[in-house]
Parts: sequence; structure tokens; C-alpha cells
Amino acid sequence: AQSVTQPDIHITVSEGASLELRCNYSYGATPYLFWYVQSPGQGLQLLLKYFSGDTLVQGIKGFEAEFKRSQSSFNLRKPSVHWSDAAEYFCAVVGLSGGYNKLIFGAGTRLAVHP
Amino acid sequence: DGGITQSPKYLFRKEGQNVTLSCEQNLNHDAMYWYRQDPGQGLRLIYYSQIVNDFQKGDIAEGYSVSREKKESFPLTVTSAQKNPTAFYLCASSSDIVRGYTFGSGTRLTVV
Repeated sequence: AQSVTQPDIHITVSEGASLELRCNYSYGATPYLFWYVQSPGQGLQLLLKYFSGDTLVQGIKGFEAEFKRSQSSFNLRKPSVHWSDAAEYFCAVVGLSGGYNKLIFGAGTRLAVHP
Repeated sequence: DGGITQSPKYLFRKEGQNVTLSCEQNLNHDAMYWYRQDPGQGLRLIYYSQIVNDFQKGDIAEGYSVSREKKESFPLTVTSAQKNPTAFYLCASSSDIVRGYTFGSGTRLTVV
């Protein structure tokens, strides 16, 4: 079965520092991959997605992610973090479950930003 | 603007009572989903519907019920059989899985 692992539950970075959030997936074919962000008490917002083509994808809010098939990874990066980036981040992959294709989410990584 | 509206944002329920959470979308999406979110547990799928008048149980359907009588609406009822209903509930919809999901802003349910 398809699965997503986000190894880091919590990450703390200083404002202005670079950021990388890790995501590993389990999937046999070329996956459809997503990153979402959730601010406290809010719904999830799509940051970016990958399903083919260039392995480096650009998203909103200055985020990017790189698909690496050899490592089964889809890590999210940002060159310089802002205090407003403090939130929870979810990686997801399209997987077959119950006879239907659905998004399978990782457990999330909570990002704290120090001033 | 198109989107998903969840109401109310906060809901309080007495033990033993049923309560219904509203989810309405004007995106013309066929598929709709309900998730439960607890601290440190990510998103857990309760029910989903791929088309009007059809829905399937997710991973944690016990104590919940849904209906899908209209394309735009997918209400979730939390019944008295749900032992621990206090949580944050998220509704989502999708037109094509490769586009991902659009989420509502959530309803926080508290049992008092």
C-alpha cells in the first residue's frame, strides 16, 4: 500500500535561515505528490504539486520541492524563512484505497520560527 | 469566489447528543471528503463521496454518518455513539485527484 513518511515531527529554525522539510513516499509507479500548509485553526492550503516533467517544482509563498525517484523523496525547501511560515506542513501522495484514488497524507511536520 | 464553506467554526455539544457539521462547496467538484484531526495524529479519513447519492466509509467511520443528496453538500453527523468526538473536523473536495484537494477552514467540535 502507498504511504508517506515525514520523519520530523517538529522543526525549529531562525528567521532568515534556510528550510528543508523531508518527505518519503512508498509507491510503485510515478507518484502524484503534494505539499500542503496548515496555519493554526485553519484548513490546508496547497503549496505545490508534482506529477511529471521537471523534478524541481515551484510553489506559492517562495517554496519549492524536488522529486528524487532514486530516494523516493519529495523534500520541501525555502531559501529564507519568514516568521509567517510557522505552521504545520503535510506531504501527500495519490494512492489507491478502498477502490478509489485518494490523497494519502503524512503525519505532518510542525515548523516553529525563532525571531 | 468558489470555495468550501464549513459551518459553524466552533461547535459545542453535550454528551449523548447528535450534532451535524455543514460542508458546502460551489466548485462543482464531484468528490468530497471528511477528515478528523487530533493533535499529533495528522489527518484521518472519516467518510468520502465520489458522486451524489453515494459514499464510502473511511478509516474511522464508527460513530459518524453522512449524506450526499446534492453535489454541493456533504454534511457530517457526529452521533452519540462516537466515544471521543472532541476534535477539529475538515471537509475537502476534488474535481480530479491529480489537482489535489481543496479544503474548508474547519469546524472545532467540543463536547461539554
